[in-house]
Formats: sequence, C-alpha cells, structure tokens
Amino acid sequence: ETGVTQSPTHLIKTRGQQVTLRCSSQSGHNTVSWYQQALGQGPQFIFQYYREEENGRGNFPPRFSGLQFPNYSSELNVNALELDDSALYLCASSSGVATGELFFGEGSRLTVL
Amino acid sequence: DAKTTQPNSMESNEEEPVHLPCNHSTISGTDYIHWYRQLPSQGPEYVIHGLTSNVNNRMASLAIAEDRKSSTLILHRATLRDAAVYYCILRQPGGSQGNLIFGKGTKLSVKP
Repeated sequence: ETGVTQSPTHLIKTRGQQVTLRCSSQSGHNTVSWYQQALGQGPQFIFQYYREEENGRGNFPPRFSGLQFPNYSSELNVNALELDDSALYLCASSSGVATGELFFGEGSRLTVL
Repeated sequence: DAKTTQPNSMESNEEEPVHLPCNHSTISGTDYIHWYRQLPSQGPEYVIHGLTSNVNNRMASLAIAEDRKSSTLILHRATLRDAAVYYCILRQPGGSQGNLIFGKGTKLSVKP
C-alpha cells in the first residue's frame, strides 16, 4: 500500500505566474483535500474533492482551483500568484468514512518571488 | 466548527510521560476529538481520536473529561522522535470530512 505522494517537493515561481501541484492519493481512497500551511501556522483547508467533484471549500479565492481524476489523484492550480501564496501545500487523502483519519503527503514547498 | 485551545509549547524529558492538554468548552454533542501531529518537514500524521470514552492505541492514549469540555493526549514514554507540533481538532461526522480546522497546536520539545 503506497502512501500519499506529492510533486514537486520544492518550486520557485514569480508573482503573476501560474502553478500546478500534483497529488497521488493512498490506494483505495476516494477523497482528496488540499491545505495551505504558512510558516509557523497550522494548515488551512483549501478544498476537498470526492469522486471528481469539489464538495467543500475553505476561504480561498477562485484563483485556487483543482481537479480530481478517475484514479482519484488530484491537482491544485493557483493562478496569478501573489507573494503571500508562498507556503507549504499539503494534500491529504481519506476513505470517505465520516470521521476517518486523513493521510497527508509531505507537501510541496512553493516560493513566490 | 468549535474551537480548541492548546498551550503554545511544552517540554518533556525522554522516556517520561507527557500530558498534552486541550480545551474545547464549546464542543457539541456530535463533535469527535481528533489529534494529529506534525514532525519537522513532514505533513501532519493522525494520532488518535475519540468521542466520549478514553481511547488507547499504539501511539498514545486520549483521556476525555466527563463533560467533554477538555481532553488530554498522553504519550506514555516520550522519545526524541515525538518532538513535533500536536494539534487537537474537533470534527463533525457530516459535511466536508476532509476539512480539518487546525489551530497553532502545541510544540512539544523532548530533551535527552
């Protein structure tokens, strides 16, 4: 059973650019959620995908968008990057059980210059 | 979702027990109490969860107050590997089940 994997691990972009981050969920998991973690803060929920549909969203603007594919892997896209978007982006997968645990990847560290 | 309050930091000696407190005075009857921890340079990791009764697993124990307004995560013998930020989170069974509301957590330091 493979865990949650994210790519790339690190990347640097400039303000105004667009970025795509990728996540492979744990085997058998149909729900993927994305989090943003600024330095020194706890992770903040961006959105969740269940069976290829977004079914929950945190307080993030529309330039944060995502996709989930039939194999339950997922992408996070951020357009028009701002300096404040510099953060660790975490992906988590779960089985869909109401209070089941989330399995997190190690994250993608994005730096916006 | 209801809020939780945790101390910013705690220290422990290796091989001693650690009690990490969490206050959640506005918890509702259906909220589960979850604990996650985040080791340096890693994503959060599930530790334990419970509803009303105390819970034990291979990583830790969770003691829940009778009125459910507070809980304590217990690490029975701290190791250097337990140095992490510990998050206490309340979850409702419905809604976006991937939506965990993290606070700042408690940063646990373990001294050899």
